[in-house]
Amino acid sequence: DQQVKQNSPSLSVQEGRISILNCDYTNSMFDYFLWYKKYPAEGPTFLISISSIKDKNEDGRFTVFLNKSAKHLSLHIVPSQPGDSAVYFCAASEGQNFVFGPGTRLSVLP
Amino acid sequence: DGGITQSPKYLFRKEGQNVTLSCEQNLNHDAMYWYRQDPGQGLRLIYYSQIVNDFQKGDIAEGYSVSREKKESFPLTVTSAQKNPTAFYLCASSIGTGPRPQHFGDGTRLSIL
Repeated sequence: DQQVKQNSPSLSVQEGRISILNCDYTNSMFDYFLWYKKYPAEGPTFLISISSIKDKNEDGRFTVFLNKSAKHLSLHIVPSQPGDSAVYFCAASEGQNFVFGPGTRLSVLP
Repeated sequence: DGGITQSPKYLFRKEGQNVTLSCEQNLNHDAMYWYRQDPGQGLRLIYYSQIVNDFQKGDIAEGYSVSREKKESFPLTVTSAQKNPTAFYLCASSIGTGPRPQHFGDGTRLSIL
């Protein structure tokens, strides 16, 4: 039973437009959420995180939104660039227990 | 430059052999983790260690063993008891406990022949 779900295996977006990646979780005890980006044959790279006491966190082109009542978080990338093409994982944690979603492959088309 | 080094990048072993994957970090991080990634799935936690000489099982520890004799090193042994060891293995570390992002190595792809 997946505690963290990313229901879109892939997403294609035109360069310059907004990319929205979604993530749903089931465990209400999760209190810290993260997004990672992964290129082929490399390890994931941390992008941005959000604590459960917040509903939004922004870092440059990346913004993460958290809706605790819906157990949903999303990552917005504006504007999208070809270099953003990668697999994006969301993760949720309760203490030292980190649970990762299966990932969404983002393709930004020039 | 600080980081996490996993070696080798690709590893081939015969069925029935134990194999050890190396993970070294020079970030002075206390916590270290091992994950396994299979196609179409998220990362699954094998083992983690919060301090030297202490480690805890994750969700899929069966058939694996670890040691943490030094802060910098957290090797993972895939034993012959692991029924389906072919996978991509990722090592990570983080500063202490609590909500902190993890830093990942570039992974080792293990293939059992």
